[in-house]
Amino acid sequence: ETGVTQTPRHLVMGMTNKKSLKCEQHLGHNAMYWYKQSAKKPLELMFVYNFKEQTENNSVPSRFSPECPNSSHLFLHLHTLQPEDSALYLCASSQHVAGSYEQYFGPGTRLTVT
Amino acid sequence: AQKITQTQPGMFVQEKEAVTLDCTYDTSDQSYGLFWYKQPSSGEMIFLIYQGSYDEQNATEGRYSLNFQKARKSANLVISASQLGDSAMYFCAMSGITQGGSEKLVFGKGTKLTVNP
Repeated sequence: ETGVTQTPRHLVMGMTNKKSLKCEQHLGHNAMYWYKQSAKKPLELMFVYNFKEQTENNSVPSRFSPECPNSSHLFLHLHTLQPEDSALYLCASSQHVAGSYEQYFGPGTRLTVT
Repeated sequence: AQKITQTQPGMFVQEKEAVTLDCTYDTSDQSYGLFWYKQPSSGEMIFLIYQGSYDEQNATEGRYSLNFQKARKSANLVISASQLGDSAMYFCAMSGITQGGSEKLVFGKGTKLTVNP
């Protein structure tokens, strides 16, 4: 595997379900991100992890719970979601170096909440 | 706070012709980076090109070039010799720092490019 991978690619869940999204990066990067992409809206940054430590929670509701067990893996745990949470969830990684902000993205998980 | 504006929701171009996708930005930072990403229908965001605010020359990567005009705060993407596979959403982004001190990218709303045969 190369680059950034995400599983599952598609997920349909009811509002009472609990599910998790997984992201894995094979680039040796030390920063990982979760973004939400809703229809006709810019990408919204949700969470940032630097060296496994969460450094940003961009006012995300508590029904989204991130987990970063190591610098290569990032999870997004979902519970009691709302239909408006249906979106494409993108994971990204980067090397935390001053002046370099290039991020590499995974293919995303398309989530539908019914 | 940083802001990216892409005023073209959709663009059409004939195969083999060149196309320019517009991007303007707003920031009070002295040092920043500008990026273009391509998003095919599959969903993955593919990095295309990067321009640093202190770079004097416009960035080029193969058929992609970034027309950087600092005084106008614009960073337009030029795709030469368009191919059918170039049909996708294109996002302009710039670097920034979150309130927590983390690096982040601020994205525009995107431009949907359609290449016609």
